[in-house]
Amino acid sequence: GAVVSQHPSRVICKSGTSVKIECRSLDFQATTMFWYRQFPKQSLMLMATSNEGSKATYEQGVEKDKFLINHASLTLSTLTVTSAHPEDSSFYICSARDSLAGINEQFFGPGTRLTVL
Amino acid sequence: KQEVTQIPAALSVPEGENLVLNCSFTDSAIYNLQWFRQDPGKGLTSLLLIQSSQREQTSGRLNASLDKSSGRSTLYIAASQPGDSATYLCAVRDNYGQNFVFGPGTRLSVLP
Repeated sequence: GAVVSQHPSRVICKSGTSVKIECRSLDFQATTMFWYRQFPKQSLMLMATSNEGSKATYEQGVEKDKFLINHASLTLSTLTVTSAHPEDSSFYICSARDSLAGINEQFFGPGTRLTVL
Repeated sequence: KQEVTQIPAALSVPEGENLVLNCSFTDSAIYNLQWFRQDPGKGLTSLLLIQSSQREQTSGRLNASLDKSSGRSTLYIAASQPGDSATYLCAVRDNYGQNFVFGPGTRLSVLP
């Protein structure tokens, strides 16, 4: 099956710094990628939809200036958490839709654990 | 707005038991429904995907059913094993969007 990778898998940073998380589709092209956030013992919540070559669409309540999304190529989307605070500590998961396979399936990355001290 | 719930929130069973996990959704206009498994601190593993036109899907010891009109899906696990211990997430996609709406999950523990 299609593989989606995330880097880094785990990151610890100081409050006020920015952190970039990468999401890559390894063996397929993804015009659309999705970013989710999962707090401990809670389910995944969609943050934003990332479309290659255009601006991301953010869900209600998600600050676009704080969570910068760039989808500059068909295989890479990045999420930058700017001026991170402890409350941003969470598990961030991306998913990617295979452009050629239609919207039938999405493939999820392994997640990135962010801890802000 | 689509809402997904899952019952029970947690379940602990002895090895070998058959069990049923329940998922409910409020808007029946779905594109498909998917069951995932998530191990602690890990990403998602897709288990079964049911299209809106289908009634059930089977894979090994897993069987998922879908009753779209009543907004329900069940995941049946036969002959449970300790390796089945994980959180099981139900997610639906609607006819308009591409993203998933996830349920809160059921944390399953299978005791040896």
